[in-house]
Formats: sequence, structure tokens, C-alpha cells
Amino acid sequence: GESVGLHLPTLSVQEGDNSIINCAYSNSASDYFIWYKQESGKGPQFIIDIRSNMDKRQGQRVTVLLNKTVKHLSLQIAATQPGDSAVYFCAEDAEGYNKLIFGAGTRLAVHP
Amino acid sequence: GAGVSQSPSNKVTEKGKDVELRCDPISGHTALYWYRQSLGQGLEFLIYFQGNSAPDKSGLPSDRFSAERTGGSVSTLTIQRTQQEDSAVYLCASSSQGTGGGEQYFGPGTRLTVT
Repeated sequence: GESVGLHLPTLSVQEGDNSIINCAYSNSASDYFIWYKQESGKGPQFIIDIRSNMDKRQGQRVTVLLNKTVKHLSLQIAATQPGDSAVYFCAEDAEGYNKLIFGAGTRLAVHP
Repeated sequence: GAGVSQSPSNKVTEKGKDVELRCDPISGHTALYWYRQSLGQGLEFLIYFQGNSAPDKSGLPSDRFSAERTGGSVSTLTIQRTQQEDSAVYLCASSSQGTGGGEQYFGPGTRLTVT
């Protein structure tokens, strides 16, 4: 069945370092992918998205990479800050109307 | 402007009771989604509303779960005869786009605890 999963459940980094969060997806028909950030007690917050006709997209301090050959998605955060500490979810749109399938999440812990 | 709001923020109920969870989407957003998030888990799709179209109910886990969206705005998720496994955070999201991608804006969620 369709699934989105994450390689690392917890990632600890030093403040100022770059962070990379990985995600694997299984539905090759998915054409839209999103990364969300969720802080404790809050709903997920959109970070960045990418369509399947792209392999890289950059935002402010964040970059999403898509490798369709191996069905892999990654989120890179440059110069990680304490405020980046949260759980990060990848999600795929498998049916074309924003019916998202979420991965289990990776907790990012940023240490000073 | 106002974001997505949900009420109540917390709900404790006894097993077997019915509960209603409310979602107020962002004004003008035509698409509305309900998700469930169990402790330490990702989000599980429950139901999707788009305008006046028939909702996609494919994610509802049992016939004890139902949802309505009145007037294309406010939505209510109802869980009948609650069970302990229904305990989770229920999240609502809305989007100005129902197809072709587009950012979903999430509410803060309702934490449901069934005792």
C-alpha cells in the first residue's frame, strides 16, 4: 500500500550546523510533496513543497531535494537554530487533491 | 487574519459517550480536511471536503466516525460510542486549493482522551 516513512526518528545537531532529514515514499504516482514542522502542542506548519517535475527547491534556509529514481525526499536546514527544534513530517499527495499521506516524523533537537 | 480554529482544545470523555469536535476553517477556503494524530505518530487522513462535492470519507476508521460541513464553512467531526483507541489529537486543515497541491493550514487540534 501507499506509505511514507522516515529513516531517522531523532536527529540531534549543534546550533549552527546544517541538518538533513530524510524520507522515503512508496507511491511512484505521487506528484506533490510537502515538509511540515510541528512544535509541541501546535498543528503542523508548512515549510516547503516540491512537485515531481522538480528535483530541488530552495526556501529561506531550507532546501528540499527529490530523487524520484529511489523515491527519496530530504529536507536540508542551513545554520540550524534552537527555534528549529520540532518534529518534522514529510507528506505526499497520492491522489492529486491534497489527500496527504504523512510519515511518522523526525524529531530535531538543536543543542547550543 | 484568523487562522484555522478548533474547539474544544481538550476533551475528556468516558468510554461509550459521543463527542463532537468543531473546526472553523480560514474564510474563503473551499477545501477542509480532518486528520488524526496518535501519540508520537504521523497524521492519519480521515475525511476531505471540497466545496459542494461529496466528501472523501475513505479515511474514517469505522462507522462510529462521521463529519459534516455546513454551508461550506464550519465542520463538525462526530465520534459515537467512543473507545479508548479513539484517544488522539484531531487536527483540521483548510486550503484554498482542493486539487493540484497547495498549502494546507492546520488548526491547533483537539486532544481527545477517552477514559
